[in-house]
Amino acid sequence: GDSVTQMEGPVTLSEEAFLTINCTYTATGYPSLFWYVQYPGEGLQLLLKATKADDKGSNKGFEATYRKETTSFHLEKGSVQVSDSAVYFCALSAGGGADGLTFGKGTHLIIQP
Amino acid sequence: ETGVTQTPRHLVMGMTNKKSLKCEQHLGHNAMYWYKQSAKKPLELMFVYNFKEQTENNSVPSRFSPECPNSSHLFLHLHTLQPEDSALYLCASSQGRGRGGQGEQFFGPGTRLTVL
Repeated sequence: GDSVTQMEGPVTLSEEAFLTINCTYTATGYPSLFWYVQYPGEGLQLLLKATKADDKGSNKGFEATYRKETTSFHLEKGSVQVSDSAVYFCALSAGGGADGLTFGKGTHLIIQP
Repeated sequence: ETGVTQTPRHLVMGMTNKKSLKCEQHLGHNAMYWYKQSAKKPLELMFVYNFKEQTENNSVPSRFSPECPNSSHLFLHLHTLQPEDSALYLCASSQGRGRGGQGEQFFGPGTRLTVL
């Protein structure tokens, strides 16, 4: 079956540091890939997405590129802020609509001032 | 209201109680989902409804009973739960199958359930 693997953390960085959260996946066909973010006490918010190979999703300074050859979708940000502290989830959708998402376990990111 | 709303936000119940969780989406979507989020585990898909029809039941115990009266509302009826059912229950919605959606789902804030 489909699966998503991501580093669990916690990942602790200083403000303005460079961020990479690794995500790799296993899926049949050509899934869509997503990063979601969850702030304390809240639900998941869609951060960015990519729907085909070599697509780059970006939002709020975060980027991720759909790499089919390495089955990866790593999340990056050039300069993190304290407000980026949250849990980040990598996910895939194999069906394209009305199918459940397959999630990784989540990476807890802590940014220190 | 906009987006996906869930009520209540917090719920404490005994093992013999019966309660219901409610979800409403204001996005014009046709598919709705229930997920369970427990500590140290990936989000677990519980149920999927597409155009009010249940299309997936991910081996969920019968003490959880979903109901989808229309494309905008989704309920999760709870009865005789166990302490291990304590978790954050998340509702989500998306474009329905065949409607050109790319799979992205929009989540509500969740209901934090504690079973005593």
